[in-house]
Amino acid sequence: GEDVEQSLFLSVREGDSSVINCTYTDSSSTYLYWYKQEPGAGLQLLTYIFSNMDMKQDQRLTVLLNKKDKHLSLRIADTQTGDSAIYFCAESSGDTGRRALTFGSGTRLQVQP
Amino acid sequence: NAGVMQNPRHLVRRRGQEARLRCSPMKGHSHVYWYRQLPEEGLKFMVYLQKENIIDESGMPKERFSAEFPKEGPSILRIQQVVRGDSAAYFCASSPPSQGRETQYFGPGTRLLVL
Repeated sequence: GEDVEQSLFLSVREGDSSVINCTYTDSSSTYLYWYKQEPGAGLQLLTYIFSNMDMKQDQRLTVLLNKKDKHLSLRIADTQTGDSAIYFCAESSGDTGRRALTFGSGTRLQVQP
Repeated sequence: NAGVMQNPRHLVRRRGQEARLRCSPMKGHSHVYWYRQLPEEGLKFMVYLQKENIIDESGMPKERFSAEFPKEGPSILRIQQVVRGDSAAYFCASSPPSQGRETQYFGPGTRLLVL
C-alpha cells in the first residue's frame, strides 16, 4: 500500500530557512500536499503541488518535487516563531473513486528565538 | 464563509458507551471524509462519503464503527461500545464537487477520551 515518511523533528533559529522532507512510495500519486497543525488544532492546508510540476513557490513557502526519487520538500524562508508546529506531508492519487489522503507521521518544527 | 465545523470538540466516554461525532462541511461542499489521529501519529483515513452514499470505507474498522451523511444535517461518525484504544482525535474534512482536484479542508477535530 501507499506509504509516506517524514523525519520526526527539526529545530531551526528564527530567521533561518527550514527544509522539511518527505518521501512517498505510490507511483500513481497525483497530488501532494503540505498541511500545518498547531497544538490542539485541526490541519491547515499550506500548499499543494501537482505531480507534473517540479516546483511551486508561494510567498515564504517553496515546494520541490523530485518525481523520479519520490521526494517532496517544503522550504520555509525566514522562519518565524509562529511557524512552530507539526507539518504533514500527504498524497492522493486523485482517482475519483478513491480520494483518501495518505499522511506522513508529521515533522515537528521548533523555531528558537 | 464558515469552515468545517465539528462537535463536540472534546468527548469523554466510559468503556462500553457510544460516541457520536458530528461534522458539518463547508458551504457548497458535498464530500466528507473522516480521519483518525492517534497520539504522536499522522492522520489515517477512515471513510469517504457523499450525500446519502458511502463511497470508500476501506479505512473503517469492521466492527463498532459506522458513518453516515444524510440528505439533511451533518455527517455522523458513530462508535459503539467504545474501548480505550478508540481514544484519539477524529478529524472531518470536506471538499467541493469534483473539479479534477479536490482539496480537503479540515475541521478542528473531536478529541475522544475513553476512560
